[in-house]
Amino acid sequence: AQSVAQPEDQVNVAEGNPLTVKCTYSVSGNPYLFWYVQYPNRGLQFLLKYITGDNLVKGSYGFEAEFNKSQTSFHLKKPSALVSDSALYFCAVSAGFSGGYQKVTFGTGTKLQVIP
Amino acid sequence: ETGVTQTPRHLVMGMTNKKSLKCEQHLGHNAMYWYKQSAKKPLELMFVYSLEERVENNSVPSRFSPECPNSSHLFLHLHTLQPEDSALYLCASSQEGARIYEQYFGPGTRLTVT
Repeated sequence: AQSVAQPEDQVNVAEGNPLTVKCTYSVSGNPYLFWYVQYPNRGLQFLLKYITGDNLVKGSYGFEAEFNKSQTSFHLKKPSALVSDSALYFCAVSAGFSGGYQKVTFGTGTKLQVIP
Repeated sequence: ETGVTQTPRHLVMGMTNKKSLKCEQHLGHNAMYWYKQSAKKPLELMFVYSLEERVENNSVPSRFSPECPNSSHLFLHLHTLQPEDSALYLCASSQEGARIYEQYFGPGTRLTVT
């Protein structure tokens, strides 16, 4: 079985400071990892993904994430937080295709609060 | 907007009502999903349709009944729901194939069962 852990329910960071949202995963085989963001009253929006190759993945809105195989982690980072980054962030993992589709398992989400 | 629309955005229904949620994707994708989102819980995958064929029914109670008439449309028919079914229901689509693709989500339907 595959799983994702987001250990922090909420992360508070001052505007302009770097931010990190943590994610660890468990999966059999090669992991395919994703980050999504959810703004109030909206669906999830794709930010970035790791499939293979460079461990540092860059995505939308200046976000990046670092894949660490030994620590089974895929933390989301941004060098300088904006108030508009305040939202709910979901990490997700997939082990690829099985049973005719790609099964994706999502974490419980981390609420990011950027303080002006 | 992501190219996935859902109607209605809000729905209040009694336990004896019958209603349907609608999802439409304008992205040319070949797979569609229903998820249930409850507070402080991971997203729960309910149903998956790939090439218009249901490929996953994740132990969902029979009071939820999906329908996928074509690759662009997905419905979730609801009847005799329980209060614990109150949640945000999200539709998503993706392009399934040899590569790993992300999913695109609609804005969701906020369902309240009274």
